[in-house]
Amino acid sequence: DIQMTQSPASLAASVGETVTITCRASENIYYSLAWYQQKQGKSPQLLIYNANSLEDGVPSRFSGSGSGTQYSMKINSMQPEDTATYFCKQAYDVPWTFGGGTKLEIK
Amino acid sequence: VQLQQSGAELVRPGASVKISCKAFGYTFTNHHINWVKQRPGQGLDWIGYINPYNDYTSYNQKFKGKATLTVDKSSSTAYMELSSLTSEDSAVYYCARRRNWDFDYWGQGTTLTVSS
Repeated sequence: DIQMTQSPASLAASVGETVTITCRASENIYYSLAWYQQKQGKSPQLLIYNANSLEDGVPSRFSGSGSGTQYSMKINSMQPEDTATYFCKQAYDVPWTFGGGTKLEIK
Repeated sequence: VQLQQSGAELVRPGASVKISCKAFGYTFTNHHINWVKQRPGQGLDWIGYINPYNDYTSYNQKFKGKATLTVDKSSSTAYMELSSLTSEDSAVYYCARRRNWDFDYWGQGTTLTVSS
């Protein structure tokens, strides 16, 4: 199985701050990487797919980048509504696997 | 598009449970339905998927023998049956629609509690 290592596990950011979350795959996943946002008590929501494509309706302050085994998601100008847990997921090979999650809070 | 899951379940150890996921707003047979497990405070575990068009299934090896995925095309509903339940199966279970290689719509989740 492809292991997804996500960091940091948690962080707190101030409103307006830039936030970066990273995900490392145990092997090359050829841009098959998605990011999901899960707010407390809610279902996950797709934010970014194919490593850098923004899902319709997602604010442009979210962006994704990376290649090979290393990927990241950036939030430009953190907003209070971005408080959530974020997960990466590889879609290169079954079983599809998720990172452990990053809990993002407002400082 | 909406995926509506069945309500919370409280079941005894050793029993089985069947969770449903009814699809609205799109052609049911055009998208695979995936199932994902989330234990409290934990990450997400992909269980498997079913292709409603031809009933083809693919399971995470971890869940083979534990989960069985089926669909009823006439009602646009997907089902997941979990058997021989233990406390380790207590979790929130989500169904999710697959678009290309990602999950673009998710159900609201079904909380399963296994307890005597």
